[in-house]
Amino acid sequence: DQQVKQNSPSLSVQEGRISILNCDYTNSMFDYFLWYKKYPAEGPTFLISISSIKDKNEDGRFTVFLNKSAKHLSLHIVPSQPGDSAVYFCAAYNNDMRFGAGTRLTVKP
Amino acid sequence: GAGVSQSPRYKVAKRGQDVALRCDPISGHVSLFWYQQALGQGPEFLTYFQNEAQLDKSGLPSDRFFAERPEGSVSTLKIQRTQQEDSAVYLCASSLVKEGGYTFGSGTRLTVV
Repeated sequence: DQQVKQNSPSLSVQEGRISILNCDYTNSMFDYFLWYKKYPAEGPTFLISISSIKDKNEDGRFTVFLNKSAKHLSLHIVPSQPGDSAVYFCAAYNNDMRFGAGTRLTVKP
Repeated sequence: GAGVSQSPRYKVAKRGQDVALRCDPISGHVSLFWYQQALGQGPEFLTYFQNEAQLDKSGLPSDRFFAERPEGSVSTLKIQRTQQEDSAVYLCASSLVKEGGYTFGSGTRLTVV
């Protein structure tokens, strides 16, 4: 049962442009959402989170948007940098944390 | 230590062999989680400890999987009679509270041949 879905397995953007990573979920009981970033041969690293009572959270170049009515969240990275190239996992929490399958972001110089 | 440490980094097991995977969480982190990540997939929840108590083991795929954290710090995930479908990266994560951002280890890549 895939409760958290990342429908784009990969995304490629030019350095300096905006990267938008999308995530959909099915369980309306999720009350906390997170994005993790993963480099090869390393574990996922926590990036940014948002509570279900908010619709936006910003941290430097990273902004997460939450649309509860659409059960959709997105991660915006602007401006994108080559070092942002990694796999990004969306995660949602209610009693335990569920992860999407990930989106591989490639930022080209 | 500064981060979550997992060992071994890589493990090749013959089908039917028992394996034990170790996780050393961040000191003081009460919550500890095990996840299984198959190739091309996101991490899938296996089990959760609060201190030494295993509060949720609903994600363990079969009774061949067993986890323990006897003193509330180091945890071991044991897989008995390994099968090929057990091949995956096993991630351990810890956090101060159950909610919030977890700190993950680098994982143990298990290959069953």
